[in-house]
Amino acid sequence: DQQVKQNSPSLSVQEGRISILNCDYTNSMFDYFLWYKKYPAEGPTFLISISSIKDKNEDGRFTVFLNKSAKHLSLHIVPSQPGDSAVYFCAASAREAGNNRKLIWGLGTSLAVNP
Amino acid sequence: DTEVTQTPKHLVMGMTNKKSLKCEQHMGHRAMYWYKQKAKKPPELMFVYSYEKLSINESVPSRFSPECPNSSLLNLHLHALQPEDSALYLCASSSTTPADNSPLHFGNGTRLTVT
Repeated sequence: DQQVKQNSPSLSVQEGRISILNCDYTNSMFDYFLWYKKYPAEGPTFLISISSIKDKNEDGRFTVFLNKSAKHLSLHIVPSQPGDSAVYFCAASAREAGNNRKLIWGLGTSLAVNP
Repeated sequence: DTEVTQTPKHLVMGMTNKKSLKCEQHMGHRAMYWYKQKAKKPPELMFVYSYEKLSINESVPSRFSPECPNSSLLNLHLHALQPEDSALYLCASSSTTPADNSPLHFGNGTRLTVT
């Protein structure tokens, strides 16, 4: 069962507008969330993260919002640029036995920013 | 340019071959990871080395054998693979142990085809 869900496989946005990518999770023990971006033929690149003690984290054009009660997070990209076209993965982690953490990944959302 | 270097970029091997994938990072990171990624799926964790010791093995078949010769190098030895093992193999590193939430830095992967 998917613990991290990205229900939109794809999203298309006009250049200059806002892109909103959504992610839902089911495990209430998740306390750290990350977004990665992946271009074809490259490895994923870390974008931005948020701890469960916060509800917002901003880095330039990228902002992540966390709603713990709804078990929902979103990534906002403003303004969107054609170079943002990529697959975006949401990932979450919880502390496990042995003080380990593992990332649980969503299936990704493919963003296309049209000029 | 990624700071995690993986070689080779592409590898085609028969089911009776023995080959190795190599990964190198010079960021002083203390944790290194092997992931496997199939098309249109998120990365799937295989192994984690923390301070050169194997800390996580996700029940990976023994035909995959990891090795961490030192803190900068990570190898994945392959023997008697099956066609279904064909995938993109990603190496990643993080500055501290997986328990500390430091983001993963990925290489661009080795595209493996088993014939």
